Amino acid sequence: KAGVTQTPRYLIKTRGQQVTLSCSPISGHRSVSWYQQTPGQGLQFLFEYFSETQRNKGNFPGRFSGRQFSNSRSEMNVSTLELGDSALYLCASSPWGAGGQPQHFGDGTRLSIL
Amino acid sequence: DQQVKQNSPSLSVQEGRISILNCDYTNSMFDYFLWYKKYPAEGPTFLISISSIKDKNEDGRFTVFLNKSAKHLSLHIVPSQPGDSAVYFCAASGPGANSKLTFGKGITLSVRP
Repeated sequence: KAGVTQTPRYLIKTRGQQVTLSCSPISGHRSVSWYQQTPGQGLQFLFEYFSETQRNKGNFPGRFSGRQFSNSRSEMNVSTLELGDSALYLCASSPWGAGGQPQHFGDGTRLSIL
Repeated sequence: DQQVKQNSPSLSVQEGRISILNCDYTNSMFDYFLWYKKYPAEGPTFLISISSIKDKNEDGRFTVFLNKSAKHLSLHIVPSQPGDSAVYFCAASGPGANSKLTFGKGITLSVRP
């Protein structure tokens, strides 16, 4: 069974640009969550999508947005990039959500802002 | 407001010995707890979980203990192996499928040969 796939693996952008990251969940998983990991920090929750609807949202500015398609694939968009957005962005999927079941992670997209 | 805390940033143990990784939480609504292991350049891998109706769950060399009254859980690895060297994250979620997962900052485990 294929795991969670994130593309691209690495990305370099400059301040002010925007970026779109992609996540393909495990087949049959309808819940997709996004996390940001920065050095010395744990994983910070960005948002969760289930059946094409944003079901939960973390404490990030509106520059961070996402969407989910009918095949459960998800994209995350960050506009007006700042230096502090440099991080590892991780996507995780599960059959129906984070409560009571493990989420399975992709290997992440490493975003560097110059 | 850090609801899941891993107060020790690192731990070093000898191969063959027991590794004990600790985690504390503050939110009494959490009812499901997980441990993930992460190697560099890879995503976190699910290791083991425990529901709040239990106080212990075992899977091979890995055992998780939950003390609800103390809001504390721990991961025991016996015996520790060099391949266990990684960053370990403790995570928790509340009831309901739409509950989000809250992570600690992680602890770096080094197992010395």
